[in-house]
Amino acid sequence: AQRVTQPEKLLSVFKGAPVELKCNYSYSGSPELFWYVQYSRQRLQLLLRHISRESIKGFTADLNKGETSFHLKKPFAQEEDSAMYYCALMRTSYDKVIFGPGTSLSVIP
Amino acid sequence: DAGVTQSPTHLIKTRGQQVTLRCSPKSGHDTVSWYQQALGQGPQFIFQYYEEEERQRGNFPDRFSGHQFPNYSSELNVNALLLGDSALYLCASSLFTGTVSTDTQYFGPGTRLTVL
Repeated sequence: AQRVTQPEKLLSVFKGAPVELKCNYSYSGSPELFWYVQYSRQRLQLLLRHISRESIKGFTADLNKGETSFHLKKPFAQEEDSAMYYCALMRTSYDKVIFGPGTSLSVIP
Repeated sequence: DAGVTQSPTHLIKTRGQQVTLRCSPKSGHDTVSWYQQALGQGPQFIFQYYEEEERQRGNFPDRFSGHQFPNYSSELNVNALLLGDSALYLCASSLFTGTVSTDTQYFGPGTRLTVL
């Protein structure tokens, strides 16, 4: 069965330090991968998706098919990055989104 | 465009009761998906509606049912509520294009259901 894992439930970094949120998935095909973010008292929103190859708010994510990973990275963390981050997978169009358990990122000033 | 809207914001029910949650999709979207998010967990897929039909269903019992109306809005109904049904219920809308690269789901703020 398809599954998304995020090994870190909580992650704390100092402002200006690099941050990496880990995500691994299990799926034999070629999925579409996403990172969603939920800031305090706000709705879940799409941060970035693999196929777009964008950099949003300084975050990037690279798909490593060999390691089945899609880690989220930012070179210099900001206080406003503190939020809950969910890695997610979608197998095909009109498919359900399979979410990981989430990582709570706290950026210490 | 207000994006995806859900009502009510909060709801308190007792065991055995029935509840109906509502969702209006983002303008231009035709597909609605429902998710259950228990405290401390990621959202879990309940089902998806497209063209007023249930297109996909997750591992939820038949107590969970839904409906989509001609204007694409949707309802989630839960019968015989259990304490374990307490959660945040999220609605997501998307436009079906047949291409995974463009079928992005946009989420509503959720309805917080508490079962006592």
